[in-house]
Order: sequence, then C-alpha cells, then structure tokens
Amino acid sequence: DAEITQSPRHKITETGRQVTLACHQTWNHNNMFWYRQDLGHGLRLIHYSYGVQDTNKGEVSDGYSVSRSNTEDLPLTLESAASSQTSVYFCASSESSKNTEAFFGQGTRLTVV
Amino acid sequence: DQQVKQNSPSLSVQEGRISILNCDYTNSMFDYFLWYKKYPAEGPTFLISISSIKDKNEDGRFTVFLNKSAKHLSLHIVPSQPGDSAVYFCAAFEQGAQKLVFGQGTRLTINP
Repeated sequence: DAEITQSPRHKITETGRQVTLACHQTWNHNNMFWYRQDLGHGLRLIHYSYGVQDTNKGEVSDGYSVSRSNTEDLPLTLESAASSQTSVYFCASSESSKNTEAFFGQGTRLTVV
Repeated sequence: DQQVKQNSPSLSVQEGRISILNCDYTNSMFDYFLWYKKYPAEGPTFLISISSIKDKNEDGRFTVFLNKSAKHLSLHIVPSQPGDSAVYFCAAFEQGAQKLVFGQGTRLTINP
C-alpha cells in the first residue's frame, strides 16, 4: 500500500543546531507540504513543492528550508534550531490536480532545548 | 491573518446526540472546503469535503453545510459515537491553488 512516512517520530535537539526532518511518500504525488501544529494555531504551512526542483514558502517559512530532488522526498531543514520551533511537524502529499485531499504522515515531535 | 477560523477550541456532546462543528472563512477566493479528523499521535485524515457550488454534502453520519454568503461552514455528526472523539480541522483550497489553509481545530469529546 502507498503511504507517507516521517522520521524521526521524536527528536530533541539543542538551540542553534541544524536539524533535518525526513518525509517520504510512495503515492507518486507531485505535491508535498510541510505543516507545523501548535496549540491555538492549528496547522500552519511552512513550505511546499509542486514537483521536482520546485519549492515555495508558506506562511511560517522563516528559519526553515526544503529541497526537492526527487518525487518521493521532501526533507525539512531547520538551519539553526530555536525554542520557538518546538512543535509537531506534519508532512503531507497530494495529487497535482485541483481540489484533491492531502494525505498526512504521522508527524514528528521536535523539542528544542 | 487567520483566513480559516474555528472559534470553538472544544466541544463536548453526549453519545447519540448531534455534534455541530463550525468554521468561518474570510477569503472569498476559497472554492473547496474539507474537514479533517485527527487522533492523538496520528496525522490528520480526510473526512468529508464540499465544493463552493454546493450547499450540502452528506456521507453516512457526516454532513457538511456551506453558507457562501455568510462565509460559514459546519460539520454535523449524527448520531455521535465515542470513536468520534478527536480534533477536527476545517480546511480550504483557494481557487487555482493546490495548498490547503487550515483552521485552529476543535477538540470534540463524546461522553458516554
């Protein structure tokens, strides 16, 4: 069965360190997204990609970067982790057609100490 | 600037009764709306959707209503069951875009 997986599921890191969260999907979807979930804010879009070599900033992109070198993967990098980036991160993917629902991974809980 | 708003952080409903979750939006370019359900330690899963050309969509116990003039949609669950206890997110697509904008979520608790 096709799926979308995130790793690690939990991560604790120190302020200032670079951290990369992995996202891998086997749906063969062109669209991939990274969201963060915080109490009172719901799911906020960090970065997204509509295909290989395409990346776009979402509403809360500062301090984050992504790269899309193949269809299956969209790693999210925190350049210099800050305590404000403590959150639960969700990766999602969808078909590249209008109004199709996105499928989500199980999430990565990141704690920056 | 929250374009999709769920103003009730939590809702508690008796088992067997109707649960009504509300969502408001501000962007008139939104043309497709979805509801997602999320259990703890899991990713959100798609529940039901509605196009802006419709005012109602039904799927089993779940019905979504859209009032375009009021920029308001609601999710009705009837009858409510204990397994419906979860966080529900309202989301919207902007016309021509393929990225979802989410609300803050409402935690629904179904009491036996």
